[in-house]
Amino acid sequence: DSGVTQTPKHLITATGQRVTLRCSPRSGDLSVYWYQQSLDQGLQFLIQYYNGEERAKGNILERFSAQQFPDLHSELNLSSLELGDSALYFCASSPAGNNEQFFGPGTRLTVL
Amino acid sequence: GQQLNQSPQSMFIQEGEDVSMNCTSSSIFNTWLWYKQDPGEGPVLLIALYKAGELTSNGRLTAQFGITRKDSFLNISASIPSDVGIYFCAGQPGSSNTGKLIFGQGTTLQVKP
Repeated sequence: DSGVTQTPKHLITATGQRVTLRCSPRSGDLSVYWYQQSLDQGLQFLIQYYNGEERAKGNILERFSAQQFPDLHSELNLSSLELGDSALYFCASSPAGNNEQFFGPGTRLTVL
Repeated sequence: GQQLNQSPQSMFIQEGEDVSMNCTSSSIFNTWLWYKQDPGEGPVLLIALYKAGELTSNGRLTAQFGITRKDSFLNISASIPSDVGIYFCAGQPGSSNTGKLIFGQGTTLQVKP
């Protein structure tokens, strides 16, 4: 158990819908990262937040957005969902000044 | 964009054998991390490397940060069935001052008892 929690574990929805994925980092970790893992793309970095502020952006679509709240939990919002958005979405956290990222169990999103 | 080339893509070995896998890039990296992922679960951090030339062990696992900062390898000695899984290398690009990681495509390891 990495100490990072993610909900829900599974999510099944339809095209065009909007979903919210939630992540709670390890106690004391200020950085939260979101990654997408699909069969053909591997693990792709989406976005990083540090202590509530956006720190880095990767290949995140405009239909996707994220935020980190004062209690340091983070949410990833996916809207206007397409079939190709079906993937595993992972959250990771790391302490300040450290690149060791600890991953949560992931949310498996299926878009039908 | 920056890419990591991880090889081999898959390995099928006999229990007790040693395993070696590596990652290479055309760009330099500040940090190398090695993860193991079991099906349906999140990647688990195995080893972190921070300095060129650094050699670090974690039980039967040994990893090295290449002297050129463009590669890293992971060795597993005396493999056992529970070593089965997908191993990923990940690196923090040298040009980055954030925690963004680039991941390799993974090495799938299967161990025959």
